[in-house]
Amino acid sequence: GNSVTQMEGPVTLSEEAFLTINCTYTATGYPSLFWYVQYPGEGLQLLLKATKADDKGSNKGFEATYRKETTSFHLEKGSVQVSDSAVYFCALSSNAGNNRKLIWGLGTSLAVNP
Amino acid sequence: DAGVIQSPRHEVTEMGQEVTLRCKPISGHDYLFWYRQTMMRGLELLIYFNNNVPIDDSGMPEDRFSAKMPNASFSTLKIQPSEPRDSAVYFCASSLSGAPFHGYTFGSGTRLTVV
Repeated sequence: GNSVTQMEGPVTLSEEAFLTINCTYTATGYPSLFWYVQYPGEGLQLLLKATKADDKGSNKGFEATYRKETTSFHLEKGSVQVSDSAVYFCALSSNAGNNRKLIWGLGTSLAVNP
Repeated sequence: DAGVIQSPRHEVTEMGQEVTLRCKPISGHDYLFWYRQTMMRGLELLIYFNNNVPIDDSGMPEDRFSAKMPNASFSTLKIQPSEPRDSAVYFCASSLSGAPFHGYTFGSGTRLTVV
């Protein structure tokens, strides 16, 4: 079945450091891929998405490229800020029929120190 | 649009009491999802609806939990009787059908504490 694997956290970085959070997936067909972010005490927010192979999603300085050959969708940011401290979730949708059920990774906690 | 609206934001109740959580999805969205989040179990899908009809309730933990969607703009999740292990943050999310799929919009959640 479909699954998502994220790197375990917590990840602790200093401000302005480079961030990579790894995400790999297992799916049949052509899934859509998502990164969601959850700030402390809040709900999950869509950060970026990609709907087909080689698409690059980007938002707020974050990027992720849909790599079908390596079944990956790693999240990157060139220079993190304290305000990026949050939990990041990778997710996929199989796109089979009208399936709207997302398959979630376990989340990666990021702490950015000033 | 005001986004997905959940109420209450916080609920503290005594064990054995009935708890009702409410959700108003984004207007025009035809999918609605109920999730539960805890430190131990992470994010769990409880149930989801399409066009007000429950599609998959396999995540509902037991018969104490029930969910309804009487119309396109309102859904409830009820726990009766509540137990301390039900303490969690409950999220509602909505989305549109059609392609491409743009993901869910989540509400701010209801933090439930059962004492």
